Amino acid sequence: AQSVTQPDARVTVSEGASLQLRCKYSYSGTPYLFWYVQYPRQGLQLLLKYYSGDPVVQGVNGFEAEFIKSNSSFHLRKASVHWSDSAVYFCAVSAGINTNKVVFGTGTRLQVLP
Amino acid sequence: NAGVIQTPRHKVTGKGQEATLWCEPISGHSAVFWYRQTIVQGLEFLTYFRNQAPIDDSGMPKERFSAQMPNQSHSTLKIQSTQPQDSAVYLCASSSATEQFFGPGTRLTVL
Repeated sequence: AQSVTQPDARVTVSEGASLQLRCKYSYSGTPYLFWYVQYPRQGLQLLLKYYSGDPVVQGVNGFEAEFIKSNSSFHLRKASVHWSDSAVYFCAVSAGINTNKVVFGTGTRLQVLP
Repeated sequence: NAGVIQTPRHKVTGKGQEATLWCEPISGHSAVFWYRQTIVQGLEFLTYFRNQAPIDDSGMPKERFSAQMPNQSHSTLKIQSTQPQDSAVYLCASSSATEQFFGPGTRLTVL
């Protein structure tokens, strides 16, 4: 079975700083990986996804993530954060593109200081 | 496309009362998922349906919780005899493949 670890429950950065949110997954096969964001009082929204191909995937609002198979990681990055990026970010993994079920990490709460 | 619709957005019940939460998936999506989200436990998977059939209810509490999908346009999550520990945000998501699209959630408060 697959699992996801987000080691940082909270991250605080200043506006304009670079950002990395860590995610490590566990799955013996080829994983399908996702990052979701949850703004206050809203559901989760997809930021980006990785199925295959270029290990660096671009998402919305300047976010990107890199799949590193040797490290079982899928860290999320942004070059310069904005205060509106403050939210909870979830990493997720699925066993297959058609299996439907997705396993979510515990989330990282990002606070961007103005 | 209105996205996944969840009603009501907020529900307050007294201890011991029943609560029914509704979810309308995105048209054409074959899978519907229910999650529970709390500060303490985070995002917990409850159950999911594919083509209206229950596939995996491994996250559902064995007592008091039930979910149904009587047709392709809606699913319900019913909690009988609600308890204060049932207070949470209940999220519904739908999917046509692997990517899930979430509704805004229903915040259930049990007094």
